[in-house]
Amino acid sequence: AQRVTQPEKLLSVFKGAPVELKCNYSYSGSPELFWYVQYSRQRLQLLLRHISRESIKGFTADLNKGETSFHLKKPFAQEEDSAMYYCALGMGYSTLTFGKGTMLLVSP
Amino acid sequence: DSGVTQTPKHLITATGQRVTLRCSPRSGDLSVYWYQQSLDQGLQFLIQYYNGEERAKGNILERFSAQQFPDLHSELNLSSLELGDSALYFCASSVGVTGNTIYFGEGSWLTVV
Repeated sequence: AQRVTQPEKLLSVFKGAPVELKCNYSYSGSPELFWYVQYSRQRLQLLLRHISRESIKGFTADLNKGETSFHLKKPFAQEEDSAMYYCALGMGYSTLTFGKGTMLLVSP
Repeated sequence: DSGVTQTPKHLITATGQRVTLRCSPRSGDLSVYWYQQSLDQGLQFLIQYYNGEERAKGNILERFSAQQFPDLHSELNLSSLELGDSALYFCASSVGVTGNTIYFGEGSWLTVV
């Protein structure tokens, strides 16, 4: 069965520190991976899609099929990055399976 | 603004009651999705409609039902409400049925008292 695991509920870093939000998935087919961000219980916003291979707000993520991971990285965290981050798996049809989310807290 | 609109934004109702949440997808999007977000369960996929037809079903209770109308707006009906149904209900839409980015609305906060 498909599953998305985000092992950290909370990640707390200082401004300027590197950030890595972990995401592992379980799916036997060819996955589509996404990162969504949610600020203060607002709508979920698409941050990254692995197919597009672009960098948004300084964040990048690489799909590693060998390790079944799609970790989100940013070299220098900013206070405005504080939010809830969700990793999501698309499985051939658009319905997404979300991980439990990781709260990123960036302190000054 | 993602273009997905949901009403109402907030709703407080009593146990045993029935409510209807409404969603208008982005212009041109044919797929509509409903998700439930609660503190203990996280984000749970409920159901997807594509061009009026049910496309995929997730963890949707039998007390809940949904439909997508010819004008592509969707409604989620929640009946015999329980305290545990209190959650943020998101609607999302996408252009097609496969391989498309999903855009979320702002959600409807439901509080059951």
